[in-house]
Amino acid sequence: GAVVSQHPSWVICKSGTSVKIECRSLDFQATTMFWYRQFPKQSLMLMATSNEGSKATYEQGVEKDKFLINHASLTLSTLTVTSAHPEDSSFYICSARENRGQPQHFGDGTRLSIL
Amino acid sequence: SQQGEEDPQALSIQEGENATMNCSYKTSINNLQWYRQNSGRGLVHLILIRSNEREKHSGRLRVTLDTSKKSSSLLITASRAADTASYFCATVDTGTASKLTFGTGTRLQVTL
Repeated sequence: GAVVSQHPSWVICKSGTSVKIECRSLDFQATTMFWYRQFPKQSLMLMATSNEGSKATYEQGVEKDKFLINHASLTLSTLTVTSAHPEDSSFYICSARENRGQPQHFGDGTRLSIL
Repeated sequence: SQQGEEDPQALSIQEGENATMNCSYKTSINNLQWYRQNSGRGLVHLILIRSNEREKHSGRLRVTLDTSKKSSSLLITASRAADTASYFCATVDTGTASKLTFGTGTRLQVTL
């Protein structure tokens, strides 16, 4: 149980393109989803927290107009990297949690490469 | 938020040996969790230990928590090649609505 599917797993696109990443909880309803960014051989840095039906809470230093998050249902959250540039290249990972106090379950990540 | 530190950064052992990883943090926590990440993949939740617990076991995993020293350790006994991965501790600080703050991670290599 507690499977989180993230799609796509890998994307390469040109600079200036907007890229959408989907995060789905397959067998549970996720009241909260989290989006992380990870650079090579480094730890995960939380970008934003999204609760279903409300606006995402962004961490300090994360541009909300650059990284658009939508959590319109209890099983789906999306992260859109708008007008992506090479410095946005990274590994993006989502997680989902059913209720507060329960563990987060992670997707397999999306490797984003901007040329 | 400031990340915790993990020690060692990298660890190489032979199959059958035990592996110990340490994590230090700086805040007041609600709980501490350990995750495993295979290369290029997402994280797998291993174990959660609450601030009022001192030790927890799960299969070949043993986790300890010392809140007075703000540290935790993860012991993997009788390691296997399949245990090769990066291991991260993550804290849920009090008053942060269950937000995870990850440590820097330990890369474990288990050789045959």
